Amino acid sequence: AQSVTQLDSQVPVFEEAPVELRCNYSSSVSVYLFWYVQYPNQGLQLLLKYLSGSTLVKGINGFEAEFNKSQTSFHLRKPSVHISDTAEYFCAATGTYKYIFGTGTRLKVLA
Amino acid sequence: GAGVSQSPSNKVTEKGKDVELRCDPISGHTALYWYRQSLGQGLEFLIYFQGNSAPDKSGLPSDRFSAERTGGSVSTLTIQRTQQEDSAVYLCASSSDPGGSEQYFGPGTRLTVT
Repeated sequence: AQSVTQLDSQVPVFEEAPVELRCNYSSSVSVYLFWYVQYPNQGLQLLLKYLSGSTLVKGINGFEAEFNKSQTSFHLRKPSVHISDTAEYFCAATGTYKYIFGTGTRLKVLA
Repeated sequence: GAGVSQSPSNKVTEKGKDVELRCDPISGHTALYWYRQSLGQGLEFLIYFQGNSAPDKSGLPSDRFSAERTGGSVSTLTIQRTQQEDSAVYLCASSSDPGGSEQYFGPGTRLTVT
């Protein structure tokens, strides 16, 4: 069975500092991996996705993630965060059609 | 183009009443999904439609929950005899790829059962 683990429930970081949000997955089949962002009272917005090919994936708003098959990880990174990046971030995996989500990481960017 | 839309955006209902939540997927998307987002449970899959058929209803939490899709487009999620634990945000997503390689999410319906 698939599962997705986001190790950090909250991550505080100062503005312009780098950030890494961690995501590990388990699956016996090939997976597609995603990061979504959710701003308060809004729906999910896709940041980036890994389907195949290059393991370094670049997304919107300056985010990137690296698929590491040996470590079953798909960590999200941004070299310099802004106040506007404050939101909840969800990692998701699918090997079939339904997404399995992690429990989310709340990123709080401090001035 | 238009994204996934859901209505109503907010719904407050009394315990025991029935509610209907609507999802309009992106035009041409054959796959449609319902998820629920609640405190303590995170985001959980409810049901998947391919066309008008629902090959996977495994996530529906009880027989009070049902969903249908007509014309390969609009879907309705119905909750009968609502309970307080049904309070959550219900999210709909659609995809042009039945394999789910990318799902587009609607803004959700926030359901509050009093």
